[in-house]
Amino acid sequence: AAGVIQSPRHLIKEKRETATLKCYPIPRHDTVYWYQQGPGQDPQFLISFYEKMQSDKGSIPDRFSAQQFSDYHSELNMSSLELGDSALYFCASSLRTPGETQYFGPGTRLLVL
Amino acid sequence: AQTVTQSQPEMSVQEAETVTLSCTYDTSESDYYLFWYKQPPSRQMILVIRQEAYKQQNATENRFSVNFQKAAKSFSLKISDSQLGDAAMYFCAYRSAGNTDKLIFGTGTRLQVFP
Repeated sequence: AAGVIQSPRHLIKEKRETATLKCYPIPRHDTVYWYQQGPGQDPQFLISFYEKMQSDKGSIPDRFSAQQFSDYHSELNMSSLELGDSALYFCASSLRTPGETQYFGPGTRLLVL
Repeated sequence: AQTVTQSQPEMSVQEAETVTLSCTYDTSESDYYLFWYKQPPSRQMILVIRQEAYKQQNATENRFSVNFQKAAKSFSLKISDSQLGDAAMYFCAYRSAGNTDKLIFGTGTRLQVFP
C-alpha cells in the first residue's frame, strides 16, 4: 500500500539558512500533520491542514510556516535556522474523520550546523 | 491539558515470551482515542494498535493487544510471542475527540528482545 512520502530524507543546513520540507500524503487522505522529534524525545505536534486550510496549530515557531496545496501535498518552510532546529520532522496524513489514525512518513532528518 | 505517562524507560523480553508496556494518561474528556506506535531504529513511526475510548472491548492486532481501563486511565500494550523484530521504541499517544488534531505522546519505552 502507498505510504506518506517525505523529501528530502536528509538535509544539512547552516545557521540562519532556510529549509523547505515536502510531504505527499497517502492517496485520498485530505489531512496533513507535521511533527518535530528532537534527539531522544517524543514527537511534538507543529501544525495541521485540511483542504488547504490550517486546521490546528501546536508549538510551531514563528520562523516556520506551512501550507497545503490543491493536490493535498504540504510544505514546511523553516527560516533563520537555529542549532536547536536539528531534529527529525515527520509528516503524517489521514482522512478527515473523528479520531482517524495518523499514518506517518519516514521523516526528514534536518541537521543545522 | 492532557498528559501521557510511560513510566518504563526500558523493558526487555526473551524471544517467544510475553511483555506488557504500561501507559497512563490524564484527561477530563470522556471521548478520545488512544494509540500505540512503534519506532524501530529506522526511526519510522508505525501504528501498532488503536483504541476508541467509547468501546469497552480491548483492541487486538495479531500478537498485540491492549488492556484499556478507562476509569483508571490506563492503556497497556501486551506483546505475545515476542520476536526480534519487535525491538523498538514504543510510544503511547492520546488524541482528543474534540476540535484538535494533535497526538500527545508519552516519552516512550525502549523494548529489547533477547534471543
